[in-house]
Amino acid sequence: DIQMTQSPFSLSASVGDRVTITCRASQSIGSHLHWYQQKPGRAPKILIFAASNLESGVPSRFSGSGSGTEFILTISSLQPEDFATYYCQQSYTNPALTFGGGTTVDIK
Amino acid sequence: QVQLQESGPGLVKPSETLSLTCSVSGRIGTRSYYWVWIRQSPGKGLEWIASIYYKGSTYYNPSLDSRVTISADTSKKQVLLNLRSVTAADTGVYYCARQQLTSLYYYYMDVWGRGTAVIVSS
Repeated sequence: DIQMTQSPFSLSASVGDRVTITCRASQSIGSHLHWYQQKPGRAPKILIFAASNLESGVPSRFSGSGSGTEFILTISSLQPEDFATYYCQQSYTNPALTFGGGTTVDIK
Repeated sequence: QVQLQESGPGLVKPSETLSLTCSVSGRIGTRSYYWVWIRQSPGKGLEWIASIYYKGSTYYNPSLDSRVTISADTSKKQVLLNLRSVTAADTGVYYCARQQLTSLYYYYMDVWGRGTAVIVSS
């Protein structure tokens, strides 16, 4: 099984801050890595697919990078609506899927 | 835009079978889609349960394989999930999602339902 490890577990940031979240895979997964945002009481929402591709309608302050085993989600200038939990997910072993443990971004 | 809506009993007794329905506003038997069930235990992360390909092939999380069945009723536009012999550990929110294939041959979940909460308790 491929394990996905996110760091940090949580972070506190201010509006306007640049935020980075890291996701590491236990083995190489190419670019089969996707990022989701989840707000309390809501379903996850796709932000970035295939490591670096911005989903239609997602603000350009979100970006993704990486390949192989290390991936980064960057929010260039944190906005109030971005306070949420972020998950990475690998589909290299599709249809078997695994998620990272999540990173919660809250207000400093 | 396709929409998904999950429905279920809300409360299930231990050892019973949980039956969930995902109603899809569009067609489910066309294109290269997988239909996926994912759950989230209280305060925890996301766990893949099972997937069904639009042609009917089924796939299960090995940790749940012996207790889970996923199926689709294309005429009713529903994706169904049965989870047998439930325990308190099966309590959580259950989501249905569509997984689409991109032109770059990557699969990701682009449409999600709002989820249905399930409590396992006597």
